[in-house]
Amino acid sequence: QQQVKQSPQSLIVQKGGISIINCAYENTAFDYFPWYQQFPGKGPALLIAIRPDVSEKKEGRFTISFNKSAKQFSLHIMDSQPGDSATYFCAASIGGTYKYIFGTGTRLKVLA
Amino acid sequence: DTGVSQNPRHKITKRGQNVTFRCDPISEHNRLYWYRQTLGQGPEFLTYFQNEAQLEKSRLLSDRFSAERPKGSFSTLEIQRTEQGDSAMYLCASSLSGSYGYTFGSGTRLTVV
Repeated sequence: QQQVKQSPQSLIVQKGGISIINCAYENTAFDYFPWYQQFPGKGPALLIAIRPDVSEKKEGRFTISFNKSAKQFSLHIMDSQPGDSATYFCAASIGGTYKYIFGTGTRLKVLA
Repeated sequence: DTGVSQNPRHKITKRGQNVTFRCDPISEHNRLYWYRQTLGQGPEFLTYFQNEAQLEKSRLLSDRFSAERPKGSFSTLEIQRTEQGDSAMYLCASSLSGSYGYTFGSGTRLTVV
């Protein structure tokens, strides 16, 4: 119940295309869902986050879609660029704990 | 503000040796977290501090692991009698109390040979 399941494990997208990464969870006590971007040799960096009372959040080319009833959320990267090539992690946090349960990551490669 | 700083960046040690890592959080952040990340996996929570108080420890943090945050500033993570299974990236993050958004450091990569 504490897991966050992420798919796909890897993704190859052409430049300008849309990258879509999906996550699913079981624990309905999760109340904060961030996405992190990690480049090799670096720590994860917060990209965008959403709370379950909102169905969609957009920041620039990055959008989170959230389906509370299905307990799923996804990251959409519009107009994907080679510089977006990185590993993306979804995560979830239980209210008041501020600790994250991370997914297993998606390695994105955007072809020039 | 130089972000979260972790030292050393890399550490190679022989099995059975003790190692200590240091994390310097963003100066105004009163919460500090340690996570461990193995190859191909997401980070796993180890422990966190609010100021100098260690508020939670994961079951992953065996008796060989100890973390401190004296005076609520920098933190150290010590691993005693290292094992090959301890090889991982150790990530430190900090945040303001009440904020979900963390800032991670670049991590310390530990290799136990």
